[in-house]
Amino acid sequence: KAGVTQTPRYLIKTRGQQVTLSCSPISGHRSVSWYQQTPGQGLQFLFEYFSETQRNKGNFPGRFSGRQFSNSRSEMNVSTLELGDSALYLCASSLGMTADTQYFGPGTRLTVL
Amino acid sequence: AQSVTQPDIHITVSEGASLELRCNYSYGATPYLFWYVQSPGQGLQLLLKYFSGDTLVQGIKGFEAEFKRSQSSFNLRKPSVHWSDAAEYFCAVGEGAQKLVFGQGTRLTINP
Repeated sequence: KAGVTQTPRYLIKTRGQQVTLSCSPISGHRSVSWYQQTPGQGLQFLFEYFSETQRNKGNFPGRFSGRQFSNSRSEMNVSTLELGDSALYLCASSLGMTADTQYFGPGTRLTVL
Repeated sequence: AQSVTQPDIHITVSEGASLELRCNYSYGATPYLFWYVQSPGQGLQLLLKYFSGDTLVQGIKGFEAEFKRSQSSFNLRKPSVHWSDAAEYFCAVGEGAQKLVFGQGTRLTINP
């Protein structure tokens, strides 16, 4: 079975721009979660989608948004980029039940200049 | 809110030595606990998880962890480390469905 894929792997943007990251889950998985990883704040939960509905949300500003499509693929969008948004963005997929294992993709490395 | 503490930011051990990485959590109910490993430039790989039942959990790559409710701990152990175990290790607690709260991570260096 193919793993979680994320595109693009690397991205460079400038302040004020917006960016869209994509995540394709493992086949059959209906839940996709997004995390931000930075050296200062570590791994932080952004949001989770299950069957096209946002089910859980972390403590991030409204500039961070996401969606999920009927094939379970998910996108996250960051508008009006700030320097502090530079991070590794990881997505994870699972079957979606409590305590189910989350399988992580390799991440998208976003650099904001 | 749940929290996870990994007291050791960086640990160095010699190849072949035993390893214990510490993890303490704060959670009101029975926690779902996980250990993940991250190699440079990679995503996270699950080593093992505790859901219920036997408090000693076996994982991949020869790792095990023991859940101790009285100490709110879930320490990761390996009897003999290999150079390929050098990586960053994250302990996490599950909060609700599919939200993981991570510790700050422990970076493991292996001396030859």
